[in-house]
This record gives sequence, structure tokens and C-alpha cells, in this order.
Amino acid sequence: SQTIHQWPATLVQPVGSPLSLECTVEGTSNPNLYWYRQAAGRGLQLLFYSVGIGQISSEVPQNLSASRPQDRQFILSSKKLLLSDSGFYLCAWRGGMAGLTGELFFGEGSRLTVL
Amino acid sequence: AQTVTQSQPEMSVQEAETVTLSCTYDTSENNYYLFWYKQPPSRQMILVIRQEAYKQQNATENRFSVNFQKAAKSFSLKISDSQLGDTAMYFCAFMILNYGGATNKLIFGTGTLLAVQP
Repeated sequence: SQTIHQWPATLVQPVGSPLSLECTVEGTSNPNLYWYRQAAGRGLQLLFYSVGIGQISSEVPQNLSASRPQDRQFILSSKKLLLSDSGFYLCAWRGGMAGLTGELFFGEGSRLTVL
Repeated sequence: AQTVTQSQPEMSVQEAETVTLSCTYDTSENNYYLFWYKQPPSRQMILVIRQEAYKQQNATENRFSVNFQKAAKSFSLKISDSQLGDTAMYFCAFMILNYGGATNKLIFGTGTLLAVQP
């Protein structure tokens, strides 16, 4: 069966520090991968998605970046965090038969607090 | 641009009763998928129910059912026999279907926080 993991689960970082959130998927190949951000009391905002290794599409201009160095690995990064980067970050994947129906499967989330 | 609107930020229902969560969307496309996701306090997003726009029959999953009105671009979720475990944030979401499969973007509404009271 397919599983998705992301870490760290919780992160507290000072303004201006770097960020690296990692997400991996197991049990499937060539998934579509996504990073969403959920700010407090708000909905989910699509940040990046990837349809293959090295292929990244950015939805929102910001100081975050994403990379996909391996088929089932998706990394969210920042060189210098801003206060506004605080939020709950969710990684998701889509593929296989579910890819025909659009359903996304989500990881457990990473809560980032920038102080 | 496609948008999803959930006009009820919070709702409350008594255990064992029925509640309906509203969702409207805006698109010029004809083929798409609609979803309801649940996010309990654990924060894990869980798919509740899915509806294909080309199907006239409303989707049902046990106590969960939808009222899909394509012309009105409305997609409400009905929860019957509400249980304490249904307490969660509920998100309506939308994805366009292109030839060969779904496209890459799942667009979410802002969510409705449902509290089931004992």
C-alpha cells in the first residue's frame, strides 16, 4: 500500500533562518507531488506541484522554493524565513488509478512557527 | 479562474442529528471532480466523498452524501446521524478533468469547522 511521510512534524525557526521540509512517498512510482500551506483559520493554498523529477511548478510567488531530487521525494525550502511563512504545511501525492479521479492523499503535516 | 466558496465558517450539530455543509464553485469547464475532505484535530486530511461532474447521481458514502446541482454550481455535504468523531474542519475542493485524466490542481475552499455536540 502507498504511504506518505513528511518531517519534521513541528519546527520553530527564527526570522531569516533557512528551512527544509521533506516529504517522501512509498509504494508508488512517478506520483504527482504537491506542497500546500494552511495559514491559521484559512484554507489550503497550493504552493508547488511536480509531475516528475526536476519538474516544479510554482503557484504563488514567495521566498519559498521546492525541489524533487528523486521520484518520490519532494522538498520545500527557504533561504531566509519571514514571519508570514508561519503555517501548517501539507505534502500530498496523486497517482496510479487515483490519478484518473483527481484524489490527493495527504501527509501528516508540518507545523512551522517563525519567531 | 476556478474558485471554491464555503460560506459557513463554523457550524454546530447535536449528536445523532443531520447537518448540511454548503459549497459553491465557479468554473467555465464542463468536466471536473468535486471532493469533500475532512481535517480532524489531528490535522490529517482525509477524503470523505468524491463526485464526478458527468454523473447525475449524487455520491453517497455511508452517513455522508452530497447534493450536486451542476447548473447552480453547488455541492453540499450532508452528514446523517452525526457522531462526535465527525468533529473536524471540512473542506470542499475542485479539480478540472481533462482528456486523459485529471489536471494537477486541486483547489480548496476556506473550510467549515463542524462541532458535534454530545
